[in-house]
Amino acid sequence: QVTLRESGPALVKPTQTLTLTCTFSGFSLTTRGMGVTWIRQPPGKALEWLALVDWDNDKYYSRSLKTRLTVSWDSSENQVVLTMTNIDPLDTATYYCARVKWQRLDTYFDYWGQGILVAVST
Amino acid sequence: SSELTQDPAVSVALGQTVRITCQGDTLRDFYATWYQKKPGQAPVLVIHANNNRPSGIPDRFSGSRSGDTASLTITGVQAEDEAVYYCNSRDSSANHLFGGGTKLTVL
Repeated sequence: QVTLRESGPALVKPTQTLTLTCTFSGFSLTTRGMGVTWIRQPPGKALEWLALVDWDNDKYYSRSLKTRLTVSWDSSENQVVLTMTNIDPLDTATYYCARVKWQRLDTYFDYWGQGILVAVST
Repeated sequence: SSELTQDPAVSVALGQTVRITCQGDTLRDFYATWYQKKPGQAPVLVIHANNNRPSGIPDRFSGSRSGDTASLTITGVQAEDEAVYYCNSRDSSANHLFGGGTKLTVL
């Protein structure tokens, strides 16, 4: 059974660094074609893709947020960590992690965590 | 820059058929994926590779692509299909994109 769960702070102050952890089970990130991705949804707005790490530990980032994001994979703990620097109230959102199935032209996110709401406020 | 464009909203009568579209240059080279998002719930994958339905997704959901436009069709819409539907794809740099979402209202 594939599961993913996001964890991290519910409230962050502006200019701080946000660290979110995705703990997953039921699959191995070392399997070719697998990955974990981060996606967020600000209140009342659309989904926004943030970052992805694949089975080869290659990392991909949203062009618009690339300078602020780092994604890393702790294989010993089955965890993928997302850090976002210089947090702003506009970063208030529900953050999701999801499993990635990566094929040559077809990449999709087939299992999702329930999401974690992160508010940015003083 | 790459982007995916969706109509903001569409409505359909219960039991009828609705098509939701997504337009973007990247769809000419990479497959479209569709997600269903209901309030307070995580997104659910409903279609990948333009027209492949994961197990557990009702067969009333189908997808297609023509040129730079992908479509999600729901045949015989049910009340539980009311949701926001997002298209998704990637570009040659593995930059993943979501459309702005289409809110489906079932009348």
